[in-house]
Amino acid sequence: NAGVTQTPKFRVLKTGQSMTLLCAQDMNHEYMYWYRQDPGMGLRLIHYSVGEGTTAKGEVPDGYNVSRLKKQNFLLGLESAAPSQTSVYFCASEGQGAWEQYFGPGTRLTVT
Amino acid sequence: TQLLEQSPQFLSIQEGENLTVYCNSSSVFSSLQWYRQEPGEGPVLLVTVVTGGEVKKLKRLTFQFGDARKDSSLHITAAQPGDTGLYLCAGAGKGGSEKLVFGKGTKLTVNP
Repeated sequence: NAGVTQTPKFRVLKTGQSMTLLCAQDMNHEYMYWYRQDPGMGLRLIHYSVGEGTTAKGEVPDGYNVSRLKKQNFLLGLESAAPSQTSVYFCASEGQGAWEQYFGPGTRLTVT
Repeated sequence: TQLLEQSPQFLSIQEGENLTVYCNSSSVFSSLQWYRQEPGEGPVLLVTVVTGGEVKKLKRLTFQFGDARKDSSLHITAAQPGDTGLYLCAGAGKGGSEKLVFGKGTKLTVNP
């Protein structure tokens, strides 16, 4: 039982490049979330999903897109990376009605 | 927008000392959670409090939810170096833990 996994763990992009972050969970959770964590800013919700095939915007969705084609996977895409997107990205999952989010280990992204 | 203010932002103490971390808001939350995050890892849930005035104890950690469900505190007795980490509070609105609001965190360092 791996819990929540994220790939890659580290990535450096140049401004304008695109990439996809993958989150996978093996707990059969309905809800999945993407956060970014910046120094002094805490965790901010980017997008979330309440089930396969559904997505919704969080607090800071601009510049990101997501997809939840399979229940166990939640993808976060950056179409044209900007230096302001340099951050640590965390994925989390939660069982419906469980009131506990399980977080992955994070992806450290640097955009130069 | 619901906001959670955590204080202090940084705390450095000696092993064996007691400490209290605060989480305050002008908004009412249906529940409040405390997470602990170690460097290079994702946050891990410590406790969820749901009833105004509720007190929960987890070994040397005591969590309290304010009577009005707008604030919470975390008290650690006889801190140990293993308690070092970032402590985050997170509040859930009326819809449950969907779209949790996180505080910016308190970075605790316990020196041996």
